[in-house]
Amino acid sequence: SSELTQDPAVSVALGQTVRITCQGDSLRSYYASWYQQKPGQAPVLVIYGKNNRPSGIPDRFSGSSSGNTASLTITGAQAEDEADYYCNSRDSSGNHHVVFGGGTKLTVL
Amino acid sequence: QVQLQESGPGLVKPSQTLSLTCTVSGGSISSGDYYWSWIRQPPGKGLEWIGYIYYSGSTYYNPSLKSRVTISVDTSKNQFSLKLSSVTAADTAVYYCARAIGGILTGADRSVFWFDPWGQGTLVTVSS
Repeated sequence: SSELTQDPAVSVALGQTVRITCQGDSLRSYYASWYQQKPGQAPVLVIYGKNNRPSGIPDRFSGSSSGNTASLTITGAQAEDEADYYCNSRDSSGNHHVVFGGGTKLTVL
Repeated sequence: QVQLQESGPGLVKPSQTLSLTCTVSGGSISSGDYYWSWIRQPPGKGLEWIGYIYYSGSTYYNPSLKSRVTISVDTSKNQFSLKLSSVTAADTAVYYCARAIGGILTGADRSVFWFDPWGQGTLVTVSS
């Protein structure tokens, strides 16, 4: 299968920890990459590889993987973290196709 | 630092061809092991990969769009382009260009693939 499944919506209290998950067969062969998208803006890469953050991404963002599931964890969520989050990988069948999860809307309460 | 910028018509008539260009600045499009990519997002919906062109010139397309899509590179202008033919209202979306990297990082037990950076996106509306 070349699909990635995410929960449509997740909420977290300000300052608490939240985990956003992504499931799919391709994640047994690929680490997920994660993107944050705020309204009216382009997606921004927040996690890639095993657990790598691009320059400028706060260290409260972290990634992990187990089996066919990848997780994005925000430790101490801030109001500015409210956004849509998308996971992404390449299809593991070797056809070079790319898949995105459907996205998770994170609300910070 | 590499930056990408999309350009092209914001309005396309049904059945016509959508044409967009992505200009790359801050680096050469022909250097490095990169996939130059197009992604779109219909209003209020999620991200959809359209396709990419590898630095070698090989192209790969979303199977659902493959019959209508062409991605090409103009190294002299440091640009790559998207053409989507026979458009309908369902092709109305914000279109993003992005650079992708894929492979196996040292010490990793899985492959990696990610898009960074992205262009700001351009809204294309299909309407008569």
